[in-house]
Amino acid sequence: DAKTTQPPSMDCAEGRAANLPCNHSTISGNEYVYWYRQIHSQGPQYIIHGLKNNETNEMASLIITEDRKSSTLILPHATLRDTAVYYCIVEGTALIFGKGTTLSVSS
Amino acid sequence: DAEITQSPRHKITETGRQVTLACHQTWNHNNMFWYRQDLGHGLRLIHYSYGVQDTNKGEVSDGYSVSRSNTEDLPLTLESAASSQTSVYFCASSESTRGSSYNEQFFGPGTRLTVL
Repeated sequence: DAKTTQPPSMDCAEGRAANLPCNHSTISGNEYVYWYRQIHSQGPQYIIHGLKNNETNEMASLIITEDRKSSTLILPHATLRDTAVYYCIVEGTALIFGKGTTLSVSS
Repeated sequence: DAEITQSPRHKITETGRQVTLACHQTWNHNNMFWYRQDLGHGLRLIHYSYGVQDTNKGEVSDGYSVSRSNTEDLPLTLESAASSQTSVYFCASSESTRGSSYNEQFFGPGTRLTVL
């Protein structure tokens, strides 16, 4: 199963875009990239996923590089409620969660 | 509305006791998972199931067992609880099988287990 690398923490001002990077250099051609987040002590919540093309939904955008070795999750207008741990995961036998990126959004 | 529930939400037990954590989902999902989460770690996979009578070991399966007798439930059993198993346990379910383009997992609220 492909592994991912994320920065341990990031800060973002409220209202600004939050860009969360992820490296997955060992990803296979048919493996999807998933993003989840975990707010405080709640269960993780699905955000978005993609294979090759960029994806957008009501929560976020996902930009995947052409070589698929890295991706960026974009929260276009971060709010205080977006403060959470964000996990980048490459689909394998089951989802493998790393330590993720702790995003702190401040006013 | 469909949901996934876990019980109990909090449990305190003693070393050596058998403990069972319940997970119930009403989505009729084939796939169910158990994770544990400890401070300083992300979620780590304990066991998972792709359907009735199917169970598989995850990353940290030692000391845990599961059984899948129906679609809705995947109970997690700690055969002989140890202090190292003090953790928050999350159950999850998903509709698709491996290789599908859609593998969103829905997580339960978690069970906080303390082993004294």
